[in-house]
Amino acid sequence: AQSVTQLGSHVSVSEGALVLLRCNYSSSVPPYLFWYVQYPNQGLQLLLKYTTGATLVKGINGFEAEFKKSETSFHLTKPSAHMSDAAEYFCAVSHYQGAQKLVFGQGTRLTINP
Amino acid sequence: ETGVTQTPRHLVMGMTNKKSLKCEQHLGHNAMYWYKQSAKKPLELMFVYSLEERVENNSVPSRFSPECPNSSHLFLHLHTLQPEDSALYLCASSQDPRPGNTIYFGEGSWLTVV
Repeated sequence: AQSVTQLGSHVSVSEGALVLLRCNYSSSVPPYLFWYVQYPNQGLQLLLKYTTGATLVKGINGFEAEFKKSETSFHLTKPSAHMSDAAEYFCAVSHYQGAQKLVFGQGTRLTINP
Repeated sequence: ETGVTQTPRHLVMGMTNKKSLKCEQHLGHNAMYWYKQSAKKPLELMFVYSLEERVENNSVPSRFSPECPNSSHLFLHLHTLQPEDSALYLCASSQDPRPGNTIYFGEGSWLTVV
């Protein structure tokens, strides 16, 4: 069975600082990996995804993530945090057994300090 | 404006009531999903529909009954729910149910069972 672990349920950074949100997965087959963001009282919005090809994936709002198979990781980064980045972030892995099933991590709440 | 709309946004129901959640997608997609987001557990897949046929039932209790009359609409019929069923219910869609497809989420329906 696939699973996702997000290290740190809460992360706090200063505005302008590096954002690093950690995600590790377990999968017996090559995974598809996703990062979603959820702003208060809203649904989930895709930030980026890895399917095949280049392991460094660039997404919206200046975020990027790198798939590292040897470390079973897919950490999300942004060089300079902005106040508008405050939200909850979810890492997910896709598992195919007849239909796509996204397995989500617990989420990381990102707070930006002025 | 989201391509996946859900109504109602908020619902309070008693344990003996029968109610329904409605979802409509305007993206021309062929797959639709119900996910449950509760405070204590990660996002959980409930059901997957592909071309109006249910292709996945993720061990969901029978008090939740999905219906997909066409590829644009998805319902979740609720009856004799328990207080622990209180959660945010997210509808989503994708082009098709194959792995790697981006899943687009609605803003969710907040359900409170009293």
